[in-house]
Amino acid sequence: GAGVSQSPSNKVTEKGKDVELRCDPISGHTALYWYRQSLGQGLEFLIYFQGNSAPDKSGLPSDRFSAERTGGSVSTLTIQRTQQEDSAVYLCASSSRQGRTDTQYFGPGTRLTVL
Amino acid sequence: AQTVTQSQPEMSVQEAETVTLSCTYDTSESDYYLFWYKQPPSRQMILVIRQEAYKQQNATENRFSVNFQKAAKSFSLKISDSQLGDAAMYFCALLPGNTPLVFGKGTRLSVIA
Repeated sequence: GAGVSQSPSNKVTEKGKDVELRCDPISGHTALYWYRQSLGQGLEFLIYFQGNSAPDKSGLPSDRFSAERTGGSVSTLTIQRTQQEDSAVYLCASSSRQGRTDTQYFGPGTRLTVL
Repeated sequence: AQTVTQSQPEMSVQEAETVTLSCTYDTSESDYYLFWYKQPPSRQMILVIRQEAYKQQNATENRFSVNFQKAAKSFSLKISDSQLGDAAMYFCALLPGNTPLVFGKGTRLSVIA
């Protein structure tokens, strides 16, 4: 596709439920990132995938958060047993080069609301 | 620790005027990259401009330019001939070597017709 796409655009869930957020990176991009943007805050790094290397999970806030990337393309971020503090916009980005020095291009995000 | 500070939570500018958004950062890396991203209400983060730390020349993209002061660790964004479509949140971001992108908390820019 022309850009990074994310689905759903908005997700409302009840506390304790699991949610899955999807990211389709730009075709050919080898690097994929997940960020979280809480209200009034900047972006917080969650996880980074680069090709077939083991992902950098250093930003995941708890073991309720996990992510996978299938076939080096689409990625799914899963939040188990959601809590109200998980409410935020989840942004995905991709970049084309090895390493992290190339420009990251962002998707439109998924707004998650946990009631 | 890598940090990015945007000291202006909100700014406003008259249409067609010039505005400068401030950003300071801290990193121990000698090689890094700096970015300005724009986030309109649609939530889409759009790259505005990018600067490599090893380049002394300030980056420019049409009406957007930066003032990169490496010694002072300052990276301000100047928007010339402001347009209504420039209204958005602007985020300064630091890419310090092989570590995650670090963002400031943003500056909300309003453009007054």
